[in-house]
Amino acid sequence: DGGITQSPKYLFRKEGQNVTLSCEQNLNHDAMYWYRQDPGQGLRLIYYSQIVNDFQKGDIAEGYSVSREKKESFPLTVTSAQKNPTAFYLCASSISWDSTYEQYFGPGTRLTVT
Amino acid sequence: AQSVTQLDSQVPVFEEAPVELRCNYSSSVSVYLFWYVQYPNQGLQLLLKYLSGSTLVESINGFEAEFNKSQTSFHLRKPSVHISDTAEYFCAVSDVHTGGGNKLTFGTGTQLKVEL
Repeated sequence: DGGITQSPKYLFRKEGQNVTLSCEQNLNHDAMYWYRQDPGQGLRLIYYSQIVNDFQKGDIAEGYSVSREKKESFPLTVTSAQKNPTAFYLCASSISWDSTYEQYFGPGTRLTVT
Repeated sequence: AQSVTQLDSQVPVFEEAPVELRCNYSSSVSVYLFWYVQYPNQGLQLLLKYLSGSTLVESINGFEAEFNKSQTSFHLRKPSVHISDTAEYFCAVSDVHTGGGNKLTFGTGTQLKVEL
C-alpha cells in the first residue's frame, strides 16, 4: 500500500529537549511538507521541500529544522527554541511542486511538551 | 498574500438534512481551490478541488462545491448528510502561477456534527 507514515502517533517530551518527528513516503513524490495544526487555527506551513537535498522555510519555521537527504524521508526536528511546541504535526507530499497536484497527508504526530 | 475565511467554526445538523459549509478567499492572483476533510486524530483527505473548467465540482460521496469568482467563494454543500460525515472540513487555496508553487493556505476549519 502506498502512502505516508508518521511515527510515533503520540510523543511526549520535557521542555528544553529537542525531538525529531519521522515522515516517510513510498509514493515516489518529489515534494514534501510539514504543517502544524492548533485548535481553531487551521494548518500552518513549517517547511517544505520541492526536491531531494532542497528545502525552504514556510510561514512558521522558527524553532524547527528539517533535512531531505532521501526522496522518501523528510524528518522534522522541534528544537528547544520553539516556544510553543505542543501541537499536532502533519506531514504531506505531492507529485511535484506544481500547484495542480494534490497533497497527500500522513496520519499525524501529536506532540506534548511539558 | 492569500487568506481563507471559514466563518462557521461549528455546524450542527440533523441526519438527512442539507448542509452548507462556507468558504471565502482573498487573493491578488488566480487560485486553485480545495476542500479537505479530517476525521478525529487523523490526517487530511482531499474531498474535492477546483482547478479550471466547470465551476461546479463533485466528490464521490455526495458533496459538491461551486467556485464563484465574483463573490470569491467556494462553498461546500451536501443535500442529505449522514452520521459518517461528522468531521472537520478545511478549505484551502493555492496560486495558479508556477512561482507560487504548491503552497496551500488553509482556513481555520468547520466542525460538522451530524446528529440523529
